[in-house]
Amino acid sequence: DAKTTQPTSMDCAEGRAANLPCNHSTISGNEYVYWYRQIHSQGPQYIIHGLKNNETNEMASLIITEDRKSSTLILPHATLRDTAVYYCIVRYSGGGADGLTFGKGTHLIIQP
Amino acid sequence: EAGVVQSPRYKIIEKKQPVAFWCNPISGHNTLYWYRQNLGQGPELLIRYENEEAVDDSQLPKDRFSAERLKGVDSTLKIQPAELGDSAVYLCASSSRTSGARSYEQYFGPGTRLTVT
Repeated sequence: DAKTTQPTSMDCAEGRAANLPCNHSTISGNEYVYWYRQIHSQGPQYIIHGLKNNETNEMASLIITEDRKSSTLILPHATLRDTAVYYCIVRYSGGGADGLTFGKGTHLIIQP
Repeated sequence: EAGVVQSPRYKIIEKKQPVAFWCNPISGHNTLYWYRQNLGQGPELLIRYENEEAVDDSQLPKDRFSAERLKGVDSTLKIQPAELGDSAVYLCASSSRTSGARSYEQYFGPGTRLTVT
């Protein structure tokens, strides 16, 4: 699986959009971008994933650049409960049930 | 629907003692994972089961770690003897081909925080 690079930490004001960047310059054509988050004292939780098109669900939006070398997770209206470590993971599409390879992630702190 | 259940939530033991962690996955999930998470790091896969078969245990330190998943449901991860460096959070996750709205989405339990003194 391709390596990802994320900022160590970020702050965002409550109610504003939180934009979390991820660099994955070595991604290959059959690899998806996944995002998970981990709230303190809990296990990781799936957020969203995509291949090349932008994706949106009830939790977030995922914007993938045209060359697929980077992506941005957007939390449109951040709340205090969104404070967590966010992991960007690149994963082979045929990986199916394979384990996930986590990096250190971005610690997002939502400020009141 | 109940999530992944793990017990105990916290465990403190002295080095050289044995310890065991238990996991009950989401009903119907045939794939079960054990991860270890060191402080300030992301989780690392230790072992993956498909039903009762361990299909990926390449990262499991086999000299002191063992795992089993009898009957393809609950699983136990054991460390014997524990070392100081084993202090970490041990996470269990489960998935299935049709888990959630996303195929093979992994659902994690809250983890067991192990402290070895």
